[in-house]
Amino acid sequence: DTGVSQDPRHKITKRGQNVTFRCDPISEHNRLYWYRQTLGQGPEFLTYFQNEAQLEKSRLLSDRFSAERPKGSFSTLEIQRTEQGDSAMYLCASSVAGAGLYFGPGTRLTVT
Amino acid sequence: AQRVTQPEKLLSVFKGAPVELKCNYSYSGSPELFWYVQYSRQRLQLLLRHISRESIKGFTADLNKGETSFHLKKPFAQEEDSAMYYCALSYSGGYQKVTFGTGTKLQVIP
Repeated sequence: DTGVSQDPRHKITKRGQNVTFRCDPISEHNRLYWYRQTLGQGPEFLTYFQNEAQLEKSRLLSDRFSAERPKGSFSTLEIQRTEQGDSAMYLCASSVAGAGLYFGPGTRLTVT
Repeated sequence: AQRVTQPEKLLSVFKGAPVELKCNYSYSGSPELFWYVQYSRQRLQLLLRHISRESIKGFTADLNKGETSFHLKKPFAQEEDSAMYYCALSYSGGYQKVTFGTGTKLQVIP
């Protein structure tokens, strides 16, 4: 297990297109987080899963964003009808109770 | 609501000088505090957490509930400490949403 992985690492898309990102957490970690990070800012919470249950979704997220973790393993984050303001680094992290977060390398999204 | 404030965007110190990265938080309950670090071209990683009360790479941080602070300190800065440092806060126990500060870039001048 080489840690949390994310795919793709970079995505360039045109405004209005849909994009989907994948995150593979550390195998024994039951908690999975999605964050978004823009230049000069810290990671901003998007959503959180415990096993397959999505326990919280940020109120900052519009309905264009959806995330799933169907079998409590990998997770996907989909953005529909992308906008230029969606351009950011999307970070995935996993953990177990009582531990810190283990981050993936991130997916950099550029919306043109 | 929980909030983390890191007042300095950039902190420049000379090699061998002491370092203090400031972090203040607001949270009504019993928090868990963390410091994360991101070295150039590497992923974000956990540096230390307050409940461990440990020293990692010479860094320590003490939770001061009276001042709601969790400042990161190191007595003698090294060039390899240059990185982005993020303070983070979560609830203690149960569901742990983790909230991050905006980060401080530490630049150690040779």
